[in-house]
Formats: sequence, structure tokens, C-alpha cells
Amino acid sequence: GESVGLHLPTLSVQEGDNSIINCAYSNSASDYFIWYKQESGKGPQFIIDIRSNMDKRQGQRVTVLLNKTVKHLSLQIAATQPGDSAVYFCAENPGNQFYFGTGTSLTVIP
Amino acid sequence: EPEVTQTPSHQVTQMGQEVILRCVPISNHLYFYWYRQILGQKVEFLVSFYNNEISEKSEIFDDQFSVERPDGSNFTLKIRSTKLEDSAMYFCASGADRDYGYTFGSGTRLTVV
Repeated sequence: GESVGLHLPTLSVQEGDNSIINCAYSNSASDYFIWYKQESGKGPQFIIDIRSNMDKRQGQRVTVLLNKTVKHLSLQIAATQPGDSAVYFCAENPGNQFYFGTGTSLTVIP
Repeated sequence: EPEVTQTPSHQVTQMGQEVILRCVPISNHLYFYWYRQILGQKVEFLVSFYNNEISEKSEIFDDQFSVERPDGSNFTLKIRSTKLEDSAMYFCASGADRDYGYTFGSGTRLTVV
């Protein structure tokens, strides 16, 4: 199957700091990527997406960066808040379905 | 905001029993999916459904699994004879377009004993 991996399984940040969550993907044919947030007991929640014709996309407090050369995706969360504590997944789509990474658990320390 | 609704939230069943997991996708969506997540592992694709037929399925989706859209609002996943390893969170998702992000439901936790 596809391989979508995350560099760090856990990340702890102080409230107010910026968070960076990284993801490596394996399929160079993937042209669409999504970051999902999953809180305990809930389903994945869409955060932000990016297509392969872009290298950066910004949302509210979040920025996704795409480096196709090294097949790397990152999610930046500005001014991290306690409510941002969750598991974050990246998912890639090479055209047929989404392949999810294992997830990074983000813990925000008040 | 529109939601994908899944019922039940938790189902316990004996090995070998049949289970049906139910989902109500967002009403104007055309693409429907089932994913599962074994505890501590990544979300895995099971099946996609469009135009009243399966458009794609993974290796996990064997003959024990089936999906159905019995009416205009429900989308179900049936496991005919559950195994212990079927224990997982099962997520339904729907999308308006195949190539864009889906909306996920909150999941059904299936425990096979």
C-alpha cells in the first residue's frame, strides 16, 4: 500500500507557541493533500488542504507547506491553544483514495 | 454545519455474529466512504461508493463486508461474521466531490468479544 509517515509520533508545545507537525509521503503521483485533526472519541476533522500546484496555503492560524521535491508536508499552527491538543493526520490522494499517516499527537501545555 | 451521523456510537458483538453499522451522510453529497481505525493505528480505507455501486475497495474489504444505500439517506456497512480483529473504530465519510476532502462522522466503536 501507500506509505504516509510522520516524523514524530508526539509533540508537546507551550500554549501560545507555534507548532510544526511534519509528514512524509511516498507517492510522487499524489496531487492532493489534507491535514486532519482527530480529538479523542471523534472522527477526523478537516483542517486544511493543498494541491500539488501550490507550495503553501494559509488558513485561520494554520499554514500547510508542501515540498514536492522531497515529498514532505508540514502543518504549522500559530499561537497554539489548549483546544489544539489532538492527533493530527496527513493524508495524500494520488487520484483514487486517501492514504492516511499514523498521526502525531499534539499536547499543548498551559 | 452539516454533519455525518453514525449509529450506534458503540457496539459490542460476539465473534461470528453479523453487525450493521449505520451512517447518514450529508444530504447533498454523492460520494460515500467507510474507513476503519484499529486502536493506536492509522485510519485505513475500506470502500468507496458512488452512484449506487462500489467504486473502489481495499484488501481489508473482503467477502465478509458489504455496503448498501437502502434509501436516499442511509449508508450501511455490514460485517457478516465478525472476527476479533474486526474490533476497531469505523468511520463513515461523505463528500460532494471525489477529489476534495470528506466530512467524517464521529465513528462507531465495534468491539468483538
